Amino acid sequence: GQSLEQPSEVTAVEGAIVQINCTYQTSGFYGLSWYQQHDGGAPTFLSYNALDGLEETGRFSSFLSRSDSYGYLLLQELQMKDSASYFCAVSGSARQLTFGSGTQLTVLP
Amino acid sequence: EADIYQTPRYLVIGTGKKITLECSQTMGHDKMYWYQQDPGMELHLIHYSYGVNSTEKGDLSSESTVSRIRTEHFPLTLESARPSHTSQYLCASSESPRLQETQYFGPGTRLLVL
Repeated sequence: GQSLEQPSEVTAVEGAIVQINCTYQTSGFYGLSWYQQHDGGAPTFLSYNALDGLEETGRFSSFLSRSDSYGYLLLQELQMKDSASYFCAVSGSARQLTFGSGTQLTVLP
Repeated sequence: EADIYQTPRYLVIGTGKKITLECSQTMGHDKMYWYQQDPGMELHLIHYSYGVNSTEKGDLSSESTVSRIRTEHFPLTLESARPSHTSQYLCASSESPRLQETQYFGPGTRLLVL
């Protein structure tokens, strides 16, 4: 089976940097993805890591360590609009996505 | 960017009614998915399809059924709705074959069964 763990809530102020961690257990591993979901909205794809290291996309970066079964999403220069839920998801041997329970990020002014 | 549509967006219905949630995508994606998500909770895969005439049940047991007669269309049906079916239902699609599994989600259907 597959399981993922991520913090349920994170709070930070505008302009700050926040890191959302994700640890996973999976049978077979192809990659770790991150999705953003605003209240009432659809999840949208943010980033994907298949290999160890850091991937940067604008203010967002994602890191993966396959040996540690660990990854994180780094959000820099936080803005109010970044308040949302962030889900890590692992693509395993079944080539589907298994999602974590999500981290609710609240950005304060 | 994928275009994926779901109707209705909101549905309030009585117990015992039959309902069909529609999902269509215009990108020609082979793979399509249905997820169930309660407020503030994770997404649970309930059905998926890797192409026409291919459907499988997901990790979460569901009393719903799906069909895939056309590539672009993946409807979900509940024969007899119950209050326990109250939830948000999200449809998604992805391109195959791709090493990177990036899923594109529709706006969701919020279902309330009274």
